Formats: sequence, structure tokens, C-alpha cells
Amino acid sequence: EPEVTQTPSHQVTQMGQEVILRCVPISNHLYFYWYRQILGQKVEFLVSFYNNEISEKSEIFDDQFSVERPDGSNFTLKIRSTKLEDSAMYFCASSEQVRNQPQHFGDGTRLSIL
Amino acid sequence: SQQGEEDPQALSIQEGENATMNCSYKTSINNLQWYRQNSGRGLVHLILIRSNEREKHSGRLRVTLDTSKKSSSLLITASRAADTASYFCATVVVQGAQKLVFGQGTRLTINP
Repeated sequence: EPEVTQTPSHQVTQMGQEVILRCVPISNHLYFYWYRQILGQKVEFLVSFYNNEISEKSEIFDDQFSVERPDGSNFTLKIRSTKLEDSAMYFCASSEQVRNQPQHFGDGTRLSIL
Repeated sequence: SQQGEEDPQALSIQEGENATMNCSYKTSINNLQWYRQNSGRGLVHLILIRSNEREKHSGRLRVTLDTSKKSSSLLITASRAADTASYFCATVVVQGAQKLVFGQGTRLTINP
């Protein structure tokens, strides 16, 4: 069964450094998402992406964050200058359609900011 | 205010018993979805129920939706040790994009 893959599984970065988290969505999916889950807290929506542009973003998704689909398969989340509070699990998801379709999640990237 | 809240926060039962988890939400929704998360893993989609549906089945899973009470329940019948995980409801609101709004989750432990 097709799945969403994320790399790396764990990223350790010094505060202030830039990180890029990578995702390969399911190939025929058109809608892409990033969520994060701080340890012990609920999963929070960051951003949705369709047709090469952001369709919605949350308050968390400030100027330090950006997303890109650099080619036909990858979907990336960049954090420009990481803060301690960016430490979390970051999940990528994709869906085939926008209405009444499940989102398929990757296993996440654990981001640890030191 | 929280959009999706699960109840109970933790549930521990014996293998073979049924497990029921509840979810309440506050705004109108387009659909409600249940996901499972094993420790350290991603979220696995279990079932989606649309706002005009009242009940849905998938294998040992049964989901109900009561839009008048803004609540949903997930029933897992004949539980197995492998069902041990956290279970989340997530809502998709009517007006807006398709972001999922998750609850805090129910941590389900199945004792052998």
C-alpha cells in the first residue's frame, strides 16, 4: 500500500540553525499538509498546500516557516532560525481530494533543538 | 475552546472486552475522522464519517456521530493487545480548508 515517507526520522539541530524536513507524499495525491506534535500535547495543524501554493496556515506558521514542492515528488518544510520551542514531532500528510477524504500521515520527524 | 475533546483520557481493559471512546466538538463539521497512533509512530486513519451519516462500520470498529449533540463515539469490539495505542478524533470544519483539528486523544491499553 502506498505510504507517505518522511526523512530524517530524527534531526538534532542547534538553536538558530535552519532545518529542512522532507516528505514524499503518496504519488497521486494533490493536497499536502504539515502538522506538529509537541511532546504530550495534541497534534496541531501548521499548513496545507495545493497547486503549488499555501491554501491555509495556522498562527504557528509564522515567517520562520516555509514550504516548498521543489519537484514532482518532494514536499519540504523549512524552519529558518530554529528556537527551543520548535522541538516536536513533525508530521507530513497528503490526501487525494480535499473533500471527505482521509489524510495519510508519515511516521514523522522528531526535531530536537539544543 | 477546544474543538475536539476525547473522553476518557485513558482507558485500560482486558483483551476481548469492548472499548468505547467518545469525542465532543464545538463547531459545525463537514466530517469527523478517527486516527490511531502507536507510540513513536505516525497517525493511521481508521474511519471517516460524514456529517450526514449517523453510523459507520469497519471490521471491529463502529463509529457513531450525533451532530445535534456534537459528539462521536468509537467502539472497538473484541479488543486485542495490538489495539493498544492512542486514539484521536479529528474534525474538518464546514467553512474552510481541509485541516484536521485534533483532540487530546484517548490512551487505550489492552491487558492480555
